[in-house]
Amino acid sequence: GENVEQHPSTLSVQEGDSAVIKCTYSDSASNYFPWYKQELGKRPQLIIDIRSNVGEKKDQRIAVTLNKTAKHFSLHITETQPEDSAVYFCAASFSGGYQKVTFGTGTKLQVIP
Amino acid sequence: DAGVIQSPRHEVTEMGQEVTLRCKPISGHDYLFWYRQTMMRGLELLIYFNNNVPIDDSGMPEDRFSAKMPNASFSTLKIQPSEPRDSAVYFCASSLRVGADEKLFFGSGTQLSVL
Repeated sequence: GENVEQHPSTLSVQEGDSAVIKCTYSDSASNYFPWYKQELGKRPQLIIDIRSNVGEKKDQRIAVTLNKTAKHFSLHITETQPEDSAVYFCAASFSGGYQKVTFGTGTKLQVIP
Repeated sequence: DAGVIQSPRHEVTEMGQEVTLRCKPISGHDYLFWYRQTMMRGLELLIYFNNNVPIDDSGMPEDRFSAKMPNASFSTLKIQPSEPRDSAVYFCASSLRVGADEKLFFGSGTQLSVL
């Protein structure tokens, strides 16, 4: 089955700096890569996703990149703000059969004011 | 729609007792997932259903865990007997495979504490 590894497990940045979270996946058949944000005590919520036919996608201060050859994908947050502090999960799934989403272990991001 | 609804929000029980967690997915969604979240293991997929049929239960840790989806609007996750190591937050999520839309909508979770 799919295995998703995520690094780092914790990340502290100064407000205004950039943050990068990296993930690798094992199953070359995976073609959909969402990112979820979970604030303390809340439910995970989708913030951005990317499909394997796209190398990069941006949404305001958030961007995701995908390297299919290396099976790597990354989340980039620019101009970080205190409200970006949360746990971020990457995930991978295959859009072709049954939808099974495998999550990474999460990155706790702390933005220091 | 009110979103994915889980109950109870918190459950405290003693070791050996039966625990039943409940989930109502978003109306019209055809996938339902049960996840367990712990600090050590993150979000683990326990089981998922498509059109009320269990597709993959390989994540269910032991025979003590069972899940059902008797209809499109209700699912249960049961632990019998419960053990302290089952303490975690259990999330239910649903999604709709329409075209390329695969967004998961999570419920608020059930915080389970087994003493």
